[in-house]
Amino acid sequence: DAKTTQPPSMDCAEGRAANLPCNHSTISGNEYVYWYRQIHSQGPQYIIHGLKNNETNEMASLIITEDRKSSTLILPHATLRDTAVYYCIVRGHSGSARQLTFGSGTQLTVLP
Amino acid sequence: ETGVTQSPTHLIKTRGQQVTLRCSSQSGHNTVSWYQQALGQGPQFIFQYYREEENGRGNFPPRFSGLQFPNYSSELNVNALELDDSALYLCASSRKQGATDTGELFFGEGSRLTVL
Repeated sequence: DAKTTQPPSMDCAEGRAANLPCNHSTISGNEYVYWYRQIHSQGPQYIIHGLKNNETNEMASLIITEDRKSSTLILPHATLRDTAVYYCIVRGHSGSARQLTFGSGTQLTVLP
Repeated sequence: ETGVTQSPTHLIKTRGQQVTLRCSSQSGHNTVSWYQQALGQGPQFIFQYYREEENGRGNFPPRFSGLQFPNYSSELNVNALELDDSALYLCASSRKQGATDTGELFFGEGSRLTVL
């Protein structure tokens, strides 16, 4: 699976949009971009994933650049409960690509 | 709430002992993966079970072993415990259809193991 690069930490004011970047310049054509988050002392939580089109669900939006070498997770109105480590992961859906390879992630702190 | 339950939530063992951790997967899920998360690091893949067989393994020694039962629940066994085995052990369930396995995993809250 392609490797990802994320900033180690970010702050965001409560109620504002949180934009978390991720670089995945070696992504291959059949690999998806996944985002998970982990709130302190809990298991990781799936947020969203996409292949090449922008995606939106009730939690967040995922913007993938046209060349697919980077993406941005957007939390439109961050709350204190969104404080967590956010992981960007690149993964295929078939063959031997069975596991999620977590990096160090981005520690997002939402400030009151 | 993901529907994935793990037990025990916390346990303490001493070096050389053996431990068994248990996981009940979400209803309708047929695949279970185990991850180890050391303090301050991201989760690391241990192995995955599908149809009661190991279906992929990370860089962990053979003293880490597992089982999957017909009801899709799973166990992680670790023999000859070492101090570095102290970590949060996470179980995740998913649904695999044929050769396709989406990455939408549902994680439990984990079992925190301390080895003294």
